[in-house]
Formats: sequence, structure tokens, C-alpha cells
Amino acid sequence: GENVEQHPSTLSVQEGDSAVIKCTYSDSASNYFPWYKQELGKGPQLIIDIRSNVGEKKDQRIAVTLNKTAKHFSLHITETQPEDSAVYFCAASRPLYSGGGADGLTFGKGTHLIIQP
Amino acid sequence: DGGITQSPKYLFRKEGQNVTLSCEQNLNHDAMYWYRQDPGQGLRLIYYSQIVNDFQKGDIAEGYSVSREKKESFPLTVTSAQKNPTAFYLCASSISGGAVTDTQYFGPGTRLTVL
Repeated sequence: GENVEQHPSTLSVQEGDSAVIKCTYSDSASNYFPWYKQELGKGPQLIIDIRSNVGEKKDQRIAVTLNKTAKHFSLHITETQPEDSAVYFCAASRPLYSGGGADGLTFGKGTHLIIQP
Repeated sequence: DGGITQSPKYLFRKEGQNVTLSCEQNLNHDAMYWYRQDPGQGLRLIYYSQIVNDFQKGDIAEGYSVSREKKESFPLTVTSAQKNPTAFYLCASSISGGAVTDTQYFGPGTRLTVL
């Protein structure tokens, strides 16, 4: 089955600096890679995602890169702000039905991002 | 107001009791999912349903049961057979259908504590 490794487990950066979180996956059939932000006691919120036919995607201060050959993808946050402090999860999809349809997500263990004022 | 609701937010249960967690969505999504989250861990898939009256086991289905009688509802029952049920439970849904992986949207979660 799919295995997703996420690093680092904790990341502390100064406000205004950039943060990078990296994930690797094992199943070459995975084709969808979302990133979620989770605040304490709440459900995860999708912040950006990328599909396997794209190498990079950007949305304002957030960007994701994907290297399918190496099976790794990364989240980049620029000009970090206090409200970026949260736990971030990467995930990789895997088909649950051979004919398509609902997919399962395999999650990394999360990165606790701390923005220092 | 569109979205996914889960109730209750906090739930306490005595050992040996079954308990049912509610998940409702008004997004008209076909697929629904249940995940479990433990401290310092990622989310793990318990059960999923692609369509009404159909559901499949995920990675950690033992000790859990589900039903999908209505499109908008996917309740999860934590049975007494689940050996370590204390966790944060998250419900999600996606449009589903077709060959393209759809985005999963999560509810606010239910924290279950077994006393």
C-alpha cells in the first residue's frame, strides 16, 4: 500500500521568513497530492493541491512542487505570518476502486509549524 | 450554509458501550469517508462510501460499523470491540465519480473519550 513520509515534524521560523515542508510517497500510481492545514481542535482545511500532470502550482504565498520521478512533493510558504501557525498534513491519493471513483488518502504524520514573532 | 457537520463535538463513553457519531453533508457529494486521528499522527481511513447503500472497509475498520441509507448522512458506530477508541474522528466528503480524484472536504471532528 501507499506510505507517505513527512518532514520535519516541527518547524520554527521567524515571521516573514519562508517555510518548506517535504513529503515522499511510495506508490507510483498515486496521482493527487493535497495539503491540509489543521488548527487545534478543528478539522483539516485544504490549502492547496496538485495533480500528477503538473510540476508546480502557486496560490499567493503558498506553492507546491511535485517530482514524480523522485516521488516527492513539497509545500512552500513565503512571507510567513502568525496565522500560518498550525499543523500541516500532506497526503497522497490511491484508487480504492479499479474503475475510478472514491479515492482514499494516505496522510503524512504532520508538521507543526511555529511562526516566531 | 453549505458544508459538513459532525455531532457531538465531544463525546464520553464508558467501556463496553457502543456509541454512534453523526456526519451530515449538504454539498450533494456522492462519496463520504471516516478517518481517525491520534495525537501526533496522520489521519487513517476507517470506512468509506462511494454511493448510497454501499460502503467499504478502509485500513482500520475493525471495531467500527457504518451505514449509508441517505446520500447526506454517513453515521459511524464505535463498538465495544474497538480496543482503543479514544481518538479524534473526522468525517469527509467528495464529489466522486469519474476517473479524476476529487478533493475531500472535512468536517469539524468529534473527540471521543472512553472513561
